[in-house]
Amino acid sequence: DVKVTQSSRYLVKRTGEKVFLECVQDMDHENMFWYRQDPGLGLRLIYFSYDVKMKEKGDIPEGYSVSREKKERFSLILESASTNQTSMYLCASSFVAQGAIYSNQPQHFGDGTRLSIL
Amino acid sequence: GESVGLHLPTLSVQEGDNSIINCAYSNSASDYFIWYKQESGKGPQFIIDIRSNMDKRQGQRVTVLLNKTVKHLSLQIAATQPGDSAVYFCAESSSQSNFGNEKLTFGTGTRLTIIP
Repeated sequence: DVKVTQSSRYLVKRTGEKVFLECVQDMDHENMFWYRQDPGLGLRLIYFSYDVKMKEKGDIPEGYSVSREKKERFSLILESASTNQTSMYLCASSFVAQGAIYSNQPQHFGDGTRLSIL
Repeated sequence: GESVGLHLPTLSVQEGDNSIINCAYSNSASDYFIWYKQESGKGPQFIIDIRSNMDKRQGQRVTVLLNKTVKHLSLQIAATQPGDSAVYFCAESSSQSNFGNEKLTFGTGTRLTIIP
């Protein structure tokens, strides 16, 4: 089974702090994703990465950055945390079938980090 | 922009009965669809997927039906059990969009409650 592990289940930070959320997957997946999940809004894509050191903006990248130095690890960074970034953050990964251009494969999720910014 | 939605936000079903959860999508170019289950305090769990070259796909106690004509997707759960209580949501993607099927669009979810 795919295992996507997020380093913290709950996190409380203060406004203005730099916050790091870590995600590790153990299935050698090429793609990794960061979402936030808010009531009534569903999952919204922040950033994704299709290879080491490669990243693409999702739908709501403002206020966030990412880092992917190793294939198995994808970090989400809140440069200067604000109260409107209080949310559930979900990491996911998926693989790309050999020879395929796009993965066309399901994304597998971690259990999320519930982040509160005070 | 394109959106994925659900007909009903909540659904209550008697234990042992079958349940059907519906999803409408608006992007006619969508060609890959996924159903996820999310239990309280956990991340979304992959249930089943279907590609646009199929109308129906079956898994263990679950069936997904795809009607491309009316852009409708449904998840059928047979003989529901208490452990099926969760939020279910669909997601879709298009290989024709930027980054192809990498970028999923998610519905907001239906809460399924199994009544003992």
